[in-house]
Parts: sequence; C-alpha cells; structure tokens
Amino acid sequence: EIVLTQSPATLSLSPGERATLSCRASQSVSSYLAWYQQKPGQAPRLLIYDASNRATGIPARFSGSGSGTDFTLTISSLEPEDFAVYYCQQRSNWPPTFGPGTKVDIK
Amino acid sequence: EVQLVQSGAEVKKPGESLKISCKGSGYSFTSYWIGWVRQMPGKGLEWMGIIYPGDSDTRYSPSFQGQVTISADKSISTAYLQWSSLKASDTAMYYCARRDSSGYLGYWGQGTLVTVSS
Repeated sequence: EIVLTQSPATLSLSPGERATLSCRASQSVSSYLAWYQQKPGQAPRLLIYDASNRATGIPARFSGSGSGTDFTLTISSLEPEDFAVYYCQQRSNWPPTFGPGTKVDIK
Repeated sequence: EVQLVQSGAEVKKPGESLKISCKGSGYSFTSYWIGWVRQMPGKGLEWMGIIYPGDSDTRYSPSFQGQVTISADKSISTAYLQWSSLKASDTAMYYCARRDSSGYLGYWGQGTLVTVSS
C-alpha cells in the first residue's frame, strides 16, 4: 500500500497570503494524484486531479504541481472560504490511499 | 445535475447489522464506479472499496475486505454499504462518491453518520 505523507500538519496563514502544501508518496505514483478540500461538516470536494488539472469550477488560485513522489498544492492568495483541511489521494496503485491532511487555519 | 443522496444517520448497538444507501441521480448510474470512504471522528479519509453498478464488479481495500459488503441495485440507482456485526470502532461518517472520468471522486454524497454504542 502506498503511504502518503502531508506537511505541514497545520498551516496558519492570513487571508491574502500564499499557501504551499506538500504531499509525498512512499513510492512513485507518476501523476496519479489528486487534492481534495474538506470544510467542517461537509463532504470533501475535488480540487485538482492528475497532479495539476483543476476540477470543474475550481478557481484559478488553486494550482497543483509535481510528479513521482513529491507534489505541491498552492493557493496563490487565500480567500476566507479556503480555510479548510486539504487531503491528497493517489490512484496509481490499489488500494487508493489518502494522506492524513493539512489543516489551513486563520492566523 | 448529478446528485448522490445518502440514507440518514443510524444509531446501533454492537453486534447489530446495518445497511446504508447511496442513491444516484442526474446521470447514468450504471456507467460510473461508486466508492465508499470512511471518516472516523476527528480523523482523515479512508478508502473502503468501490463498485461498478453496471456489472457489480466490486473491489475492497485490504483493510476493509471481509469487514463490510458493498453492493448495488441498478434498477433503483442505489449503492449500499453493509455490516453483519457492528463494532464500536465502526462509529464514523461514511461517504459515497462517484468516480469520474478523471479517475477520482468528483461527486460526493452528504455522508451518513453511523454511531455504534451499547
């Protein structure tokens, strides 16, 4: 099973700041990595798929990069609604696995 | 509009059985895989398994193989997750989600909270 590690566990930032979240895989997942956002009391929402493709309706301030074992989700300028938990997920190998999440909270 | 509507919250005792549901609408239910994801209280997301309603092809994550059963009734566009004997450790929010053409979970149900307590 591929293990995904996310860092940092918590990121404290102010609105308007840039957020950089990391996801590292225990072995190569090629580009088969997605990012999801989850707000309290809500289901997760797909943001980025195949490492760098924005899902339908996702604002351009969200971008993803990386391949192999190291991936990054960048939020260029945090909006109030972006404070949430972010999970990465790989689909390269069965079973698909999620990372433990990064919480982006308000500083 | 694609929608996945899950059954309501459940409170059960250890040892009881349970079947929760996920009804799809707004798309061809038989053409997309439906996955189930567990989220224990205050914790992260765990992939449980997935089913293709078109032919009921089902795959389980090793951690959940033998612990739950995933099924679907394509005649009523509904997928199911069931337990034969619940444990307190099954207390969690359970989400169903559709695997899109992207290969990822693009549409999610609202979640079903299962509480198992004596």
